[in-house]
Amino acid sequence: ETGVTQTPRHLVMGMTNKKSLKCEQHLGHNAMYWYKQSAKKPLELMFVYSLEERVENNSVPSRFSPECPNSSHLFLHLHTLQPEDSALYLCASRDGTGHTEAFFGQGTRLTVV
Amino acid sequence: GNSVTQMEGPVTLSEEAFLTINCTYTATGYPSLFWYVQYPGEGLQLLLKATKADDKGSNKGFEATYRKETTSFHLEKGSVQVSDSAVYFCALNHAYTGNQFYFGTGTSLTVIP
Repeated sequence: ETGVTQTPRHLVMGMTNKKSLKCEQHLGHNAMYWYKQSAKKPLELMFVYSLEERVENNSVPSRFSPECPNSSHLFLHLHTLQPEDSALYLCASRDGTGHTEAFFGQGTRLTVV
Repeated sequence: GNSVTQMEGPVTLSEEAFLTINCTYTATGYPSLFWYVQYPGEGLQLLLKATKADDKGSNKGFEATYRKETTSFHLEKGSVQVSDSAVYFCALNHAYTGNQFYFGTGTSLTVIP
């Protein structure tokens, strides 16, 4: 248990659906991340929020839309996804000062059909 | 730029064998270095870290030493167990990159009885 909770753990959605992934941390961290982990590919950073402002957006398609309403919660809104978007989506948080590690959630396994 | 290079897997060892997973990095200055472990169906968990040159991180029998002269942070364990079967990721974070983490591609380890 890392203190970062992701829901749901598994999600199957059609290409025309709209769904949201949720991430929650009560560690007092001020930076939160979304990563995508696909089979046989490196971990891919999607978004970084620091102090609730987006500071990184690594050329992610607009069908992925992040939201950080406060320092404890992070969402990833999904719409009109493609089958190649099927992956494990990992949330992480960090105390954005000093040489601190990132704490990861258990991930949401997303399957787009 | 900043990057992390890990030895390719998969690695298969017999129980009680010695483990080394190589990791080298490219970065300016003095990054913090991390090893994360991912068990099947789970998120990434911090295994150990080192924040300055010559520091040795250790946890659960695993060790890694931050070598500035060779820009390396190799993971070692003297006697692996079946329960160590997982994917191992080397990562760095740098003060100059703020909240950005750079991950290696991961090395899959299978330990057979």
